Amino acid sequence: NAGVTQTPKFRILKIGQSMTLQCTQDMNHNYMYWYRQDPGMGLKLIYYSVGAGITDKGEVPNGYNVSRSTTEDFPLRLELAAPSQTSVYFCASSHGTVNSPLHFGNGTRLTVT
Amino acid sequence: GEDVEQSLFLSVREGDSSVINCTYTDSSSTYLYWYKQEPGAGLQLLTYIFSNMDMKQDQRLTVLLNKKDKHLSLRIADTQTGDSAIYFCAEKEAGAGSYQLTFGKGTKLSVIP
Repeated sequence: NAGVTQTPKFRILKIGQSMTLQCTQDMNHNYMYWYRQDPGMGLKLIYYSVGAGITDKGEVPNGYNVSRSTTEDFPLRLELAAPSQTSVYFCASSHGTVNSPLHFGNGTRLTVT
Repeated sequence: GEDVEQSLFLSVREGDSSVINCTYTDSSSTYLYWYKQEPGAGLQLLTYIFSNMDMKQDQRLTVLLNKKDKHLSLRIADTQTGDSAIYFCAEKEAGAGSYQLTFGKGTKLSVIP
């Protein structure tokens, strides 16, 4: 009963370093999403995918990249980390029908110093 | 663009009812959601309502929707200390086909014993 699994839970990066945030889901959901959550700001959509091989930008995509080679996995890549990318990152998935809710992972807390 | 507004804080005494309010701007919203986030965790779906309904009840939770005023509320009866969390209102953008959610900034509910 894993649902949406994110790794790592915490990470500290230096400015300019790169890393990949991992996300996998075992519910056979077609749709997957990456959100970032900043204090008092709610969640902002970074990228989303409607199926393997298909990705698209959300509201705040700059500084990030994604890929979707399988239905299960949707990694988020930071190429040159900047302090503005300090945030909590949430991956989510859904069946993609109009009445299907989003299921969230527990988040990755990233600090860039 | 779409916008979802919530008050940031609410404080209630244990045993009282809590009412968390939300307003939204997208008149084509089809589904509206309430998510709960406990400290250090991801978002957990509490309940949702379809836009052609005006009320939905689920145990201690009552959702009221005033579509004319674009106002959504979540009432928690007999509030307990375990209900202390951040509550997010979200609307689904059905038109784009991505079924993204637009979130409010969250209401932090504090329950006083």
